[in-house]
Amino acid sequence: AQRVTQPEKLLSVFKGAPVELKCNYSYSGSPELFWYVQYSRQRLQLLLRHISRESIKGFTADLNKGETSFHLKKPFAQEEDSAMYYCALSYSGGYQKVTFGTGTKLQVIP
Amino acid sequence: DTGVSQDPRHKITKRGQNVTFRCDPISEHNRLYWYRQTLGQGPEFLTYFQNEAQLEKSRLLSDRFSAERPKGSFSTLEIQRTEQGDSAMYLCASSVAGAGLYFGPGTRLTVT
Repeated sequence: AQRVTQPEKLLSVFKGAPVELKCNYSYSGSPELFWYVQYSRQRLQLLLRHISRESIKGFTADLNKGETSFHLKKPFAQEEDSAMYYCALSYSGGYQKVTFGTGTKLQVIP
Repeated sequence: DTGVSQDPRHKITKRGQNVTFRCDPISEHNRLYWYRQTLGQGPEFLTYFQNEAQLEKSRLLSDRFSAERPKGSFSTLEIQRTEQGDSAMYLCASSVAGAGLYFGPGTRLTVT
């Protein structure tokens, strides 16, 4: 079975500090990993996916198959980054059931 | 096309009543998902459609839950004989192969 673990419910950082939101997964096959974000009073939206290997709003995430991790990082936090962040996992190719973690609330302190 | 829409946005019902929610996906998206989310939890998978075919239904769902997507366009999720434990946010999302999910705003259900 596929599982996504986000160990931190809340992460508080000061503006300008680095951010790392942790995500670990368990899946026996070849996964696709995603990060979704939900800003206050907005719908859940895709932030980035590992196969794109892109940086969105200064965030990056690298898939580490050895450690089964997909941590989200940003070198300098901004106040507008405050939101709920969800890590998600799906199969690569074919039918794509998407499994979400429990989420981490990022609070950027001015 | 303004994205995925859901109706109603809020529903309050008494225990034992039936409720039905509607989801209109992005028009060119052939994949449609239903999720449920409770406070402090991530979205929990309920069911998935590819076109009009329901390909998977969560084993966590009781027989009181049913979903349809009759013409491969909009979808409905019905909960029969609602219970207080059904109170949650019900999320719909759509996508195409190789892309991420596009979520609707959700329907918040309160069972009293």
